[in-house]
Amino acid sequence: EVQLVESGGGVVRPGGSLRLSCAASGFTFGDFGMSWVRQAPGKGLEWVSGITWNGGYTSYADSVKGRFTISRDDAKNSLYLQMSSLRAEDTAFYHCARDGRGGGSYYSDSWGQGTLVTVSS
Amino acid sequence: DIQMTQSPSSLSASVRDRVTITCRASQDISNSLAWYQQKPGKVPKLLIYAASTLQSGVPSRFSGSGSGTDFTLTISSLQPEDVATYYCQKYNSAPRAFGQGTKVEIK
Repeated sequence: EVQLVESGGGVVRPGGSLRLSCAASGFTFGDFGMSWVRQAPGKGLEWVSGITWNGGYTSYADSVKGRFTISRDDAKNSLYLQMSSLRAEDTAFYHCARDGRGGGSYYSDSWGQGTLVTVSS
Repeated sequence: DIQMTQSPSSLSASVRDRVTITCRASQDISNSLAWYQQKPGKVPKLLIYAASTLQSGVPSRFSGSGSGTDFTLTISSLQPEDVATYYCQKYNSAPRAFGQGTKVEIK
C-alpha cells in the first residue's frame, strides 16, 4: 500500500523559512516523480512544485518560484520542500503526491494527508 | 500560463441523475487532463487521467471525455457517496494548473 506521510509544518512568521518532508513507503520511490500540492483552508487545490523520478528536472508554480526548492533523497525514500521568504498567502495544507507511472504521467495518483503551514505574525 | 476553468462552480442534482462537469483549458493540452474527487475532510482521489482513462478501482459510472481545450466529467447515475468537490488538472507541462473546483450536492 502506498503511504505518504508529511511532516515539518507549523507556525512561522512572515519572511521566515520552513522545510517540509514527506516519507514514502509501499512503492519503489526512485521510480516515480513526485509533487507538492497545497490547499488553503476552505479553498481549492494549487499545484506547487514537481520533481522527476531522477531529480533531473524540477518545476514550480509562479507563486513560489525563487522562494521554494523541491528535492528528493532516494536513499531515504523522502521528498522535501524548502520554503523561504514565506508570506501569509502561503498558509495552507501542503500535500505530498506521487506522479503516475510512465513518462509524461504528471498527474497525482496517491496523496498524503498533508501538513499545515501557517504564516502569521 | 494555461488557465483551467471549470463550470459550473456548484450543482445540486437528485440521486440517479446524470451529472456533467466541464473543464476548459485556455490553450490546447491534447489529452493531458486528470479529474480528482475530494470528499469533505479527505484528500483528493484520482478518478480519471489522460482525459478518459478510469483509474483502477473507480466506479464505472464515472467517465471522462474531450481533448484539446474542452473536457467533460460525467457521472452517469449520481449516488449519495458522490457528494464531493471535483477538480480538473492539466499536466502536459508546468505549471500543472487545477480548475477552481465544482461542488456536487444531492438535491
